[in-house]
Amino acid sequence: EVQLVESGGGLVKPGGSLRLSCAASGFSFSSYSLNWVRQAPGKGLEWLSSISGSSSHIYYADSVKGRFTISRDNAKNSLFLQMNSLRAEDTAVYYCAQDPSYPSDYWGQGTLVTVSS
Amino acid sequence: DIQMTQSPSSLSASIGDRVTITCRAGQGIRNDLGWYQQKPGKAPKRLIYAASNLQSGVPSRFSGSGSGTEFTLTISSLQPEDFATYYCLQHNSYPPSFGQGTKVEIK
Repeated sequence: EVQLVESGGGLVKPGGSLRLSCAASGFSFSSYSLNWVRQAPGKGLEWLSSISGSSSHIYYADSVKGRFTISRDNAKNSLFLQMNSLRAEDTAVYYCAQDPSYPSDYWGQGTLVTVSS
Repeated sequence: DIQMTQSPSSLSASIGDRVTITCRAGQGIRNDLGWYQQKPGKAPKRLIYAASNLQSGVPSRFSGSGSGTEFTLTISSLQPEDFATYYCLQHNSYPPSFGQGTKVEIK
């Protein structure tokens, strides 16, 4: 069974940092590009970042470029999102997900990040 | 960046109704589009990939069509479990972009 399990969310003050993790199992992790997607409370879905299987191709949304860093550890089947200089508008549920270019569709359950003083 | 314009933003429908949701891309995206269903507190679930291919395990009352800039998700006979919010997502070019969502409510 394929599983993506996010962790690392929580309450952080504006300007602070947080590192999200996504632990994967049940599929050939290193073969797939993976994404981070978020959803602010009561709002729609927003793509944030993508990383290819070998980490050779990385992309960011303008809203997080320069503040967030995506990475992966294929030996540990793990995806990460380092979030710095957090703002109130970064408050959201953060999902890791398989890249939509594949026929399969895997998402984590999400982890809530709250940025508030 | 490619903007996805989804309509309507919400709709009210009855059980058994035929429901159609549309996404328009700001430029041609071939068939690089998926349709997602999201229920409150849950992760999105893809229903359709590559514009018209039914995801494994998804009921056949869901169908997708279109190519280029105009895409449609159709639910042929709305069921109680279909009340949710639906999103399109283009992945033709970076950054991938979602439509604004369509909330399907009970009439």
